[in-house]
Amino acid sequence: AQTVTQSQPEMSVQEAETVTLSCTYDTSESNYYLFWYKQPPSRQMILVIRQEAYKQQNATENRFSVNFQKAAKSFSLKISDSQLGDTAMYFCAFMMRRFTGTASKLTFGTGTRLQVTL
Amino acid sequence: GAVVSQHPSWVICKSGTSVKIECRSLDFQATTMFWYRQFPKQSLMLMATSNEGSKATYEQGVEKDKFLINHASLTLSTLTVTSAHPEDSSFYICSASQQGRETQYFGPGTRLLVL
Repeated sequence: AQTVTQSQPEMSVQEAETVTLSCTYDTSESNYYLFWYKQPPSRQMILVIRQEAYKQQNATENRFSVNFQKAAKSFSLKISDSQLGDTAMYFCAFMMRRFTGTASKLTFGTGTRLQVTL
Repeated sequence: GAVVSQHPSWVICKSGTSVKIECRSLDFQATTMFWYRQFPKQSLMLMATSNEGSKATYEQGVEKDKFLINHASLTLSTLTVTSAHPEDSSFYICSASQQGRETQYFGPGTRLLVL
């Protein structure tokens, strides 16, 4: 079974600053995906970024980037130029890769509540 | 693209009644849909996975007779909470994915309160 650990229950960052959210996972699989989802107060889950484990290059989406360390089973999220709209709960999630390409279940971490302040 | 809707967004019911929650993929065909439950300030816990035209696969500890899931078409899955009790009060979220794609797109969730 896979486990995902987010060791920072809450974090705070000032607007325009950079913040890094930590995530570690445990799996015996070699082919998988990792995701960061954001859940703002509306509670709508929003995909922030995804990473395929077979790719060495770290994924980047505008102000969001990841540091994927496969050997260490670490997958941190860096948010640059933080904005007030980034205030949300952030969940790290793991998914096994199926060779049919279809989705399998997501295993979520416990989440990190990020507060962006003025 | 990849929009998922849920209906209703809020439901309050009396103990002992059944409640049906709909999950629809609006602009794609969802071969697989997932149902999650989230308690306040907690993470999402997967309840079951459903593939169109097949019986749902339930996670360990989830009562299949309590939480009935139907995925009769490529755009609609339903979750029925039968004989609801106050402990079933929670936030229920569905997600959907397309054939050949691994990304799950989430609905906005349904808040259930059982009195």
